[in-house]
Amino acid sequence: GAGVSQSPSNKVTEKGKDVELRCDPISGHTALYWYRQRLGQGLEFLIYFQGNSAPDKSGLPSDRFSAERTGESVSTLTIQRTQQEDSAVYLCASSPPLDLTEAFFGQGTRLTVV
Amino acid sequence: SQQGEEDPQALSIQEGENATMNCSYKTSINNLQWYRQNSGRGLVHLILIRSNEREKHSGRLRVTLDTSKKSSSLLITASRAADTASYFCATDAETGFQKLVFGTGTRLLVSP
Repeated sequence: GAGVSQSPSNKVTEKGKDVELRCDPISGHTALYWYRQRLGQGLEFLIYFQGNSAPDKSGLPSDRFSAERTGESVSTLTIQRTQQEDSAVYLCASSPPLDLTEAFFGQGTRLTVV
Repeated sequence: SQQGEEDPQALSIQEGENATMNCSYKTSINNLQWYRQNSGRGLVHLILIRSNEREKHSGRLRVTLDTSKKSSSLLITASRAADTASYFCATDAETGFQKLVFGTGTRLLVSP
């Protein structure tokens, strides 16, 4: 597709269940980011992939959160044993292998933990 | 922790007025970007200013950067109701890769 695609758009899950969120970046984009945004708040950095380099996981809030990326394509963000405080919109963005460039965002996955 | 802090947190103006939002950051940067977000979903890139630039224009947008004060401002001139959105600044650290860190955002409401 032409843009960053995230799925599902919305996810409601029960507390304690695992969820997997998917991001399809723009083809050719080497950089991929995951952010979390709680209602009315700013974007909280979670993880950053850049080409074949080791990902920057410094923003992951706990060991219940993990993310993978297959080469320079699809990424999945997994949250294990979900808690109510995990409820948020999870945004994915990608950017091309150039300096001084913008990030292109998907529409996000709204996760609700009940 | 977030790199940028925007102020004000919220701004309410009338159509035709100018809106000014400020962003402060903590570390040396390569560039600073401003993004817009409607309805709490995907963000859209507005403008990028390099660390060696002081001012940049794009249509009704004017961005300034003061690296000595580690601050930037976004001015929207002749605002329209359609400008109602949240606005975020984002920076990437001077060293390392392009990791973008976002500020807390300013919610702008433009009333007809």
